[in-house]
Amino acid sequence: DIQMTQSPSSLSASVGDRVTITCRASQSISNYLNWYQQKPGKAPKLLIYAASSLQSGVPSRYSGSGSGTDFTLTISSLQPEDFATYYCQQSYSTPMYTFGQGTKLEIK
Amino acid sequence: QVQLQESGPGLVKPSQTLSLSCTVSGGSISSGSYFWSWIRQPAGKGLEWIGRFYTSGSTNYNPSLKSRVTISVDTSKNQLSLKLGSVTAADTAVYYCARGVYDSSGYNWFDPWGQGTLVTVSS
Repeated sequence: DIQMTQSPSSLSASVGDRVTITCRASQSISNYLNWYQQKPGKAPKLLIYAASSLQSGVPSRYSGSGSGTDFTLTISSLQPEDFATYYCQQSYSTPMYTFGQGTKLEIK
Repeated sequence: QVQLQESGPGLVKPSQTLSLSCTVSGGSISSGSYFWSWIRQPAGKGLEWIGRFYTSGSTNYNPSLKSRVTISVDTSKNQLSLKLGSVTAADTAVYYCARGVYDSSGYNWFDPWGQGTLVTVSS
């Protein structure tokens, strides 16, 4: 199985900060990488697909980059509604999908 | 706009079979270029993909669960179902159904997701 490792596991930041979350795959996955946001008690919501494509309706302050084994999710200017847990997910080794362990973004 | 809603017993006894349904509204479960998955999340933990039903009729399962899982579709009810046998406390989790989307380049992702349903395995 392809293992996905996110860093950091948790992060404290303030409104207006620029934040970057990293996801590393245990082998190359080209750009078959998706990002999701999950708020407490809610289902995950798709933010970014194919490493850098912004899902319709997602604010432009979110961006994704990377290819191969290393990927980043960047939030350019944190808003109060952005405090949540973020997951990466590889879709390279279909039909076996794996997720990162999550990064919890908290208010400083 | 497609919406998914999970339903089923919230409590299952150890060694029994967990059975859940996911009702799809706003679109047909038989539509092409989609697949339908179950994903679970134990409390305070990460996400684990369970398996999928592809519109061609094929199914794929997580190897770690394959011997205990069956995913099927009832097109007349526009429902996806999950059966997980011989459950233990380790199967206690929130269970989500999600639509899988393929684009023309082969990229694929999960969107949307149902709200999830908590299943507790306990005697």
